[in-house]
Amino acid sequence: AQTVTQSQPEMSVQEAETVTLSCTYDTSENNYYLFWYKQPPSRQMILVIRQEAYKQQNAMENRFSVNFQKAAKSFSLKISDSQLGDTAMYFCAFMEYGNKLVFGAGTILRVKS
Amino acid sequence: DGGITQSPKYLFRKEGQNVTLSCEQNLNHDAMYWYRQDPGQGLRLIYYSQIVNDFQKGDIAEGYSVSREKKESFPLTVTSAQKNPTAFYLCASSIVGTNEKLFFGSGTQLSVL
Repeated sequence: AQTVTQSQPEMSVQEAETVTLSCTYDTSENNYYLFWYKQPPSRQMILVIRQEAYKQQNAMENRFSVNFQKAAKSFSLKISDSQLGDTAMYFCAFMEYGNKLVFGAGTILRVKS
Repeated sequence: DGGITQSPKYLFRKEGQNVTLSCEQNLNHDAMYWYRQDPGQGLRLIYYSQIVNDFQKGDIAEGYSVSREKKESFPLTVTSAQKNPTAFYLCASSIVGTNEKLFFGSGTQLSVL
């Protein structure tokens, strides 16, 4: 069974600084997809960024980028120029063919002013 | 506007009672999912369906039941056999076979009286 591990239960960062959230996963598949979802206090799940395993280039969306290391099965999220609105729970998730999404336990990120 | 609607937002269950959580989508998605989220934890898959009149158990299906009589609707019943039902329940949908992202509803908080 696929597993996703987020080893940082909580993190904090000063406004405007950069923070990196860690994620590792375990799979025997070669083709799969990885996601970072954000869950703010409203508890609405919001897609932050998506990475296809067959693409070597790291995905980027504005201030959000990933460091995807396929051999190491690592998928970290870097948030640059952190903003107060980035305060949320962040979930790393793995999807194999068939669309079942497996989530990590989450990392609570607090952005401080 | 297309999206996923979950109702009610808050639900209370008495001992021995079955309760049903509603999930409706107008995105024309074939796949629908139910996830459970406990406080400070990640999402765990309860049931999923990729086509009308068919569904599969997820990782924590015991004490739950679903139906998929219409493409747009995927109700979840929390039965009296579920001894610890207090949690936040999220419904999601997606296009089958493309590994595109899941779209999430706004969730239902279920509590035991």
